[in-house]
Amino acid sequence: KAGVTQTPRYLIKTRGQQVTLSCSPISGHRSVSWYQQTPGQGLQFLFEYFSETQRNKGNFPGRFSGRQFSNSRSEMNVSTLELGDSALYLCASSFRGASGTDTQYFGPGTRLTVL
Amino acid sequence: AQSVTQLDSQVPVFEEAPVELRCNYSSSVSVYLFWYVQYPNQGLQLLLKYLSGSTLVKGINGFEAEFNKSQTSFHLRKPSVHISDTAEYFCAVSPRPAGNKLTFGGGTRVLVKP
Repeated sequence: KAGVTQTPRYLIKTRGQQVTLSCSPISGHRSVSWYQQTPGQGLQFLFEYFSETQRNKGNFPGRFSGRQFSNSRSEMNVSTLELGDSALYLCASSFRGASGTDTQYFGPGTRLTVL
Repeated sequence: AQSVTQLDSQVPVFEEAPVELRCNYSSSVSVYLFWYVQYPNQGLQLLLKYLSGSTLVKGINGFEAEFNKSQTSFHLRKPSVHISDTAEYFCAVSPRPAGNKLTFGGGTRVLVKP
């Protein structure tokens, strides 16, 4: 089976712009979670989607949003980019995501740089 | 809410020596516990997880971890490391039974020296 894929792998934007990142989960997985990784704040949970519905949400401002499509692919959007949004954005998928018994598989991430 | 503390930010170790990475957590509810590894320019890979039952958990690549409820710890060990174990290691928890909302520690960078 192919793993979790994320596109693009690298992205450079300027302050004030918006950006959309894409995640394709492992075939058959219905849960997709997003995480932000920065040197200062570490790994932080953004949100989780299951069957096109947001199931969990982290403590991020409304500029961060996401969605999931019927084929389980997910996108996250960041509007009005700030310098502090520069980070590695990781996507993880799992089959059911109903409990910790369900292993999350992570993609390689999208490295976003905001200038 | 949950919090995770990894007590060592960097651990240098010689090849074939043992290594222990320390992890303590705080939570008002029961949690699942995980260890992940991140190699340079890659995503996270699950090493092992504690769900219930035996407090000694064995994972991939010869790693094991022990859950200690009274000390709220979940330390990771490997009896003999290889150069290829050079990576960053993350301890994480998620609340039962809320699924995939992981709270991570700050990470421990392991540098294996020949």
